[in-house]
Amino acid sequence: QVQLKESGPGLVQPSETLSLTCTVSGFSLTSYGVNWVRQPPGKGLEWMGTIWNDGSTDYNSALKSRLSISRDTSKSQVFLKMNSLQTEDTAIYLCARGAYVMDAWGQGASVTVSS
Amino acid sequence: DIQMTQTPSSMPASLGERVTISCRASQGISNYLNWYQQKPDGTIKPLIYYTSNLQSGVPSRFSGSGSGTDYSLTISSLEPEDFAMYYCQQYDSSPNTFGAGTKLELK
Repeated sequence: QVQLKESGPGLVQPSETLSLTCTVSGFSLTSYGVNWVRQPPGKGLEWMGTIWNDGSTDYNSALKSRLSISRDTSKSQVFLKMNSLQTEDTAIYLCARGAYVMDAWGQGASVTVSS
Repeated sequence: DIQMTQTPSSMPASLGERVTISCRASQGISNYLNWYQQKPDGTIKPLIYYTSNLQSGVPSRFSGSGSGTDYSLTISSLEPEDFAMYYCQQYDSSPNTFGAGTKLELK
């Protein structure tokens, strides 16, 4: 059974760095890419970036200067780090499996940026 | 970036009704278009990939069509579990982008 689960701090101070983990099961990170997508409160979905099955990455140009995605295949985990957080980064952060079709999603991790 | 304009933003509908949601891209996307459903609890489920291909396990009342810049998702006969948010997503060019969503509401 394919599962993805996001974890991380619920509250981050402005200007600090967000670190999130996506722990997957039921598939191998060397066979599938994993995406990070975020959803601000009451708004739509924004693709942030992808780590492909070969370990290469692709980022949304709007976030590229602040964003890093990496993985630990032995632990089946994908990591997101984003620096210089502002209030507009408050959102649900989701990880999803797939290259171009996101065929399995986590439930999301709620992140609030506030002092 | 390719902009995806999804219409309508909300749609009241009745059980058993046939509904169509539209998605227009700011440039041609060569059928690289997916549809997703998001339930009120936040759960996201893929419905259609590459314009018209039904994801495994998705009921046949869902269908997709389109070409060029214009695409649509049709639900032939609404069931209670279909009242949710729907998003289109293009993956023709990076960054892949989503429509703003359509909220399907019970009339």
